[in-house]
Amino acid sequence: GENVEQHPSTLSVQEGDSAVIKCTYSDSASNYFPWYKQELGKGPQLIIDIRSNVGEKKDQRIAVTLNKTAKHFSLHITETQPEDSAVYFCAASKDNAGNMLTFGGGTRLMVKP
Amino acid sequence: GAVVSQHPSRVICKSGTSVKIECRSLDFQATTMFWYRQFPKQSLMLMATSNEGSKATYEQGVEKDKFLINHASLTLSTLTVTSAHPEDSSFYICSATMGILWETQYFGPGTRLLVL
Repeated sequence: GENVEQHPSTLSVQEGDSAVIKCTYSDSASNYFPWYKQELGKGPQLIIDIRSNVGEKKDQRIAVTLNKTAKHFSLHITETQPEDSAVYFCAASKDNAGNMLTFGGGTRLMVKP
Repeated sequence: GAVVSQHPSRVICKSGTSVKIECRSLDFQATTMFWYRQFPKQSLMLMATSNEGSKATYEQGVEKDKFLINHASLTLSTLTVTSAHPEDSSFYICSATMGILWETQYFGPGTRLLVL
C-alpha cells in the first residue's frame, strides 16, 4: 500500500520568513495530493491540493510543488504569520481507491512573532 | 461550501456506556464518509469508510462490533462506540466526499471522547 513520509516533524520560523514542508510517497499510481492545516482541538482544513497533471499550484502565500518522477511534493508558505502556527498534514490518494487518503505524520509549524 | 459538522464536540462518559457521534454534511450530499481516530500529537488513523446505504468497510485492527457505523442518508453518518473503555478515549474525526470522482475530503471539527 501507499506510504507517505513527511519532514520535518517540527519547524520553527520567524514571522515573515518562509516555511517549507516536504513529503514523499511510495505508490507511483497516486495522483491527488492535498495539504491540510489542523489547529489545536479542531479538525483538519484543506488549504491547497494538487493533481498529478500539474507541477505547481499557488494560492496567495501558499504554494505546492509536485515532482512525479521523484515522488515527492512540498508545501511552501511565504511571509509566515503567527496564525500560520498549526500542524500541517500532507496526504496522497489515487483513482480506484475509494477516495482513501494516506496521511503523512504531520509537521508542527511554529511561527515566532 | 463543503461544510461538515460533528456532534457532540466533546463527551465524557462512564466506562461501559455507549456513545454516539454524528457527522453531517451541511451543504452537499456525501456519498462517502470516513471516520478517523487521532491520538495526541499523532496523524489521523482511518477507522472505516462508509457509503450511503451499505455496510461500512473497516480497516484492519478496528473492531466493527465495537465501533458501529451507520450511513443511513446522504448527509448523515453515525459512529457508536459501544461499551466504551478508557482506552477508547481519543479525538474522533469524520470526513466526507461529494462523490466517487470527487476525491477531496472535507473534515468535521472532531469529537473529543473521554471515558472515565
